Amino acid sequence: DQQVKQNSPSLSVQEGRISILNCDYTNSMFDYFLWYKKYPAEGPTFLISISSIKDKNEDGRFTVFLNKSAKHLSLHIVPSQPGDSAVYFCAASASTSGTYKYIFGTGTRLKVLA
Amino acid sequence: DTGVSQDPRHKITKRGQNVTFRCDPISEHNRLYWYRQTLGQGPEFLTYFQNEAQLEKSRLLSDRFSAERPKGSFSTLEIQRTEQGDSAMYLCASSARTGYDEQFFGPGTRLTVL
Repeated sequence: DQQVKQNSPSLSVQEGRISILNCDYTNSMFDYFLWYKKYPAEGPTFLISISSIKDKNEDGRFTVFLNKSAKHLSLHIVPSQPGDSAVYFCAASASTSGTYKYIFGTGTRLKVLA
Repeated sequence: DTGVSQDPRHKITKRGQNVTFRCDPISEHNRLYWYRQTLGQGPEFLTYFQNEAQLEKSRLLSDRFSAERPKGSFSTLEIQRTEQGDSAMYLCASSARTGYDEQFFGPGTRLTVL
């Protein structure tokens, strides 16, 4: 049972335009969400997070939006740069788990075209 | 470098052999996680340590897998009698104690079982 879903395996965007990556979840106990970026041969790198008490969090070019009623979150990258080309993973966690372990989606490969 | 380190980075072994991986977390982090990532999937949670105590194990962690974290510092993950299905990237992550601190991932150990 895939509790965190990223339905778009890949996305191509022109440099300077907006990249929008989407993520859906099914477990209503999730109350913390994160986005990680992964380059080949490296571990995932933390990008941005959002608590369920918020609906938006912004950090420079990156903004995460959370729609709890739809169980949907999205990552906006504006403007997109070639260095943003990577695989992006959405992750969710439930404080009730006690361990704060992450449940990851399957990832979206973003390619930013120069 | 004060990030999470993992050793070895690559391991090729024959089916039936035992392998052991090491993870050195960020020094002040008392939470340590092991995840496994296979091709086309996101990282999947395997096990969690708080200091030296192993507090959760995923059902993915069969009896052939064992993890330790002696003295609450580095951790080892051992796989006995490896099978071809064990081929994956094994990721270690650590985080600080306070609530929802993000997890910092190491570069991973890529295991290939022939």
